[in-house]
Amino acid sequence: GQQVMQIPQYQHVQEGEDFTTYCNSSTTLSNIQWYKQRPGGHPVFLIQLVKSGEVKKQKRLTFQFGEAKKNSSLHITATQTTDVGTYFCAAKNNDMRFGAGTRLTVKP
Amino acid sequence: EPEVTQTPSHQVTQMGQEVILRCVPISNHLYFYWYRQILGQKVEFLVSFYNNEISEKSEIFDDQFSVERPDGSNFTLKIRSTKLEDSAMYFCASSEVAGGGYTFGSGTRLTVV
Repeated sequence: GQQVMQIPQYQHVQEGEDFTTYCNSSTTLSNIQWYKQRPGGHPVFLIQLVKSGEVKKQKRLTFQFGEAKKNSSLHITATQTTDVGTYFCAAKNNDMRFGAGTRLTVKP
Repeated sequence: EPEVTQTPSHQVTQMGQEVILRCVPISNHLYFYWYRQILGQKVEFLVSFYNNEISEKSEIFDDQFSVERPDGSNFTLKIRSTKLEDSAMYFCASSEVAGGGYTFGSGTRLTVV
């Protein structure tokens, strides 16, 4: 299955600061998905990126797929305490494999 | 909003016992999955299921594991002889299309003692 590396493992920010998590693959991805898991919760689908260089926005969240379709990023502008959780990228080859996730904590 | 339902929410079992974890995927979804997450770790793929057969399975999904869709709504994961290291949260997921976003259930926390 497709392996994706995700960094950083942890990120602690002050409320209002920006946050970015990165997902990298050694091979070209057909698509990439992003999920959010709140503490004690289950993964919730955020978005899927398919096209090279694609950029999608959801309010304060900006998702980007690299030109070579080997990396992706999720950027949150002006974090809020409700953004707390672990953000996973997931890449599909034959099956959907999740990155290790970036755990975001936000200090009010 | 449609949900994936999993039961039970928590199961405690003795080592060596068989467990069956149950899932009801979203009704118009055709693709079903099981994932597990050991506490504090990443979400690990176990198996995908489509058209009444396994599409893909991971190295974790050994002979102790099996999946079944016994009727038109349920999707089950059976662990034949549980080990301590099987303790984890098990998530069922479904998707409408093969490449689409997955809807996850709330999970079953399995504790093997």
